Amino acid sequence: AQKITQTQPGMFVQEKEAVTLDCTYDTSDPSYGLFWYKQPSSGEMIFLIYQGSYDQQNATEGRYSLNFQKARKSANLVISASQLGDSAMYFCAMRGEMNRDDKIIFGKGTRLHILP
Amino acid sequence: DGGITQSPKYLFRKEGQNVTLSCEQNLNHDAMYWYRQDPGQGLRLIYYSQIVNDFQKGDIAEGYSVSREKKESFPLTVTSAQKNPTAFYLCASSIVPGVRSDTQYFGPGTRLTVL
Repeated sequence: AQKITQTQPGMFVQEKEAVTLDCTYDTSDPSYGLFWYKQPSSGEMIFLIYQGSYDQQNATEGRYSLNFQKARKSANLVISASQLGDSAMYFCAMRGEMNRDDKIIFGKGTRLHILP
Repeated sequence: DGGITQSPKYLFRKEGQNVTLSCEQNLNHDAMYWYRQDPGQGLRLIYYSQIVNDFQKGDIAEGYSVSREKKESFPLTVTSAQKNPTAFYLCASSIVPGVRSDTQYFGPGTRLTVL
């Protein structure tokens, strides 16, 4: 069975510092995709970044990068130069190639607080 | 502007009533999804549809029903059979269902409260 684990329920970080949000996953699929979403207090889930299991390089999107360590089954999100607007819930998610349900499996999330 | 709209934003229901949550997308996406989110939890899949006039149950389909008569629309009905319907409901859509890189994009959500 596929599983996503986010071990940090909450984090407090000073503005302008870099942040690493942890995510580990478990799957038997040889091919899979990993996603990170941001959920501000308004509730909408905002797609941030995607990493494919066969991608040679770590994904980057602006201030977001994904530290993908396949052997460790980890896909940590790194936010550089954090801003007050980064305060939100962050969800790591995964979809396997053999996922018959066509669903994305979500972790329970990490609440990030950026301090001024 | 392309996107996904959900209405209403807040919905109150009396016990024993059915309610229907609206989800519309103008992204020309083939697949649509309904998720439920409880406080402090991730998302759980209720139903999904990869093509018009076809849909599949997700992990927690009991007490819910859907229809997909148009590509743009995927309404969710919360029936009186759903024992604990108070939750935040998110609709999503994606371009190419079944592909591992297919990203799901979400609407703003509907918060349902049973009185």
